[in-house]
Amino acid sequence: KQEVTQIPAALSVPEGENLVLNCSFTDSAIYNLQWFRQDPGKGLTSLLLIQSSQREQTSGRLNASLDKSSGRSTLYIAASQPGDSATYLCAVNTGFQKLVFGTGTRLLVSP
Amino acid sequence: GAVVSQHPSRVICKSGTSVKIECRSLDFQATTMFWYRQFPKQSLMLMATSNEGSKATYEQGVEKDKFLINHASLTLSTLTVTSAHPEDSSFYICSATLPGSQDTQYFGPGTRLTVL
Repeated sequence: KQEVTQIPAALSVPEGENLVLNCSFTDSAIYNLQWFRQDPGKGLTSLLLIQSSQREQTSGRLNASLDKSSGRSTLYIAASQPGDSATYLCAVNTGFQKLVFGTGTRLLVSP
Repeated sequence: GAVVSQHPSRVICKSGTSVKIECRSLDFQATTMFWYRQFPKQSLMLMATSNEGSKATYEQGVEKDKFLINHASLTLSTLTVTSAHPEDSSFYICSATLPGSQDTQYFGPGTRLTVL
């Protein structure tokens, strides 16, 4: 059974810092991996999707990497801003469009 | 594009009543929709996969007679929580995929259910 873990559970940083969020999964047989952002009481916004054959994806200040063999992914956020404050979820697609979500990292960026 | 809506956004009901939540794909036809549940400070858990015109596939541990799913059209899926109890209080989120896509699920804004 696929299990997805995210570390740290919570992170508080001052504005401007670069930061790394970690995601690990137990079964390397994945179709793809996605990073999402969830604001309090809201739905999910997809940030980046990495196919199983890819090593990384970039969008603006965000960079996500994938090491399938070791079961790890990282989300790098450059020059963090208060507007980046949210919960970040990684999700593994195990095939047939089934997503297994991690427990999330709650990020707070203070001005 | 690829917008998914949910209605209502928030609902409070009495224990023992039934509640229906709607999930709509606004600008695309979704042959497959998914229903997730999220308890406070926990992650999303897949409840069921809903395919248009056929019965939903439920995940292990999810009672199909309690959580009725209907996907009668390519743009609408409904989740009915029957005989709701306080432990059913949760955040329910749906998602939809574009036809033929294995990649991206587009998520609705969620419905907060509180059972008194």
